[in-house]
Amino acid sequence: AQSVTQLGSHVSVSEGALVLLRCNYSSSVPPYLFWYVQYPNQGLQLLLKYTTGATLVKGINGFEAEFKKSETSFHLTKPSAHMSDAAEYFCAVNRGDHEKLTFGTGTRLTIIP
Amino acid sequence: DSGVTQTPKHLITATGQRVTLRCSPRSGDLSVYWYQQSLDQGLQFLIQYYNGEERAKGNILERFSAQQFPDLHSELNLSSLELGDSALYFCASSSPLRRDTQYFGPGTRLTVL
Repeated sequence: AQSVTQLGSHVSVSEGALVLLRCNYSSSVPPYLFWYVQYPNQGLQLLLKYTTGATLVKGINGFEAEFKKSETSFHLTKPSAHMSDAAEYFCAVNRGDHEKLTFGTGTRLTIIP
Repeated sequence: DSGVTQTPKHLITATGQRVTLRCSPRSGDLSVYWYQQSLDQGLQFLIQYYNGEERAKGNILERFSAQQFPDLHSELNLSSLELGDSALYFCASSSPLRRDTQYFGPGTRLTVL
């Protein structure tokens, strides 16, 4: 079975500061890892994904994540937070190939002006 | 806009009733997934269809059923509704060419009174 754990259900950062949202995974097979963002009253938007190849993945809106197999982690970062980044972020895992996604519990990101 | 459409956006109904949620996948996508998002359970996979056939089942109650039609749209039927069924229901789709990525619709918010 696969699972993801998101550390910190709420994270607050100042505008312009580094954003770091943590995700650790558990998988018995090579995982496919995803970060989705959910803005208030909206659906889930794909930020970025890791499938195979380069372990540093760049996504939309200046976000990136690094797959670290030795640490079973896939943390999401952004060098400089913007007010528009306030949202809920979900880490997810599957085995690829039309597989269901297993989601973490989400991290609500608040940006302090 | 992901290209996945869901109707209706909001649904308010009473306990014991039956409702149908509709999803149209992105053009060309054969796989449709249903997820439920609730405060206590988080985001949970319900069921998946691929080209009209059921492919995987998750934590879907027996009171819930789904199908995918020849034109590839899908419907999720919820019956004998209970207060605890109040949630956001998301549909996602994936392409035969990009099997590893799911695109989500805006969701249907179901409120059971």
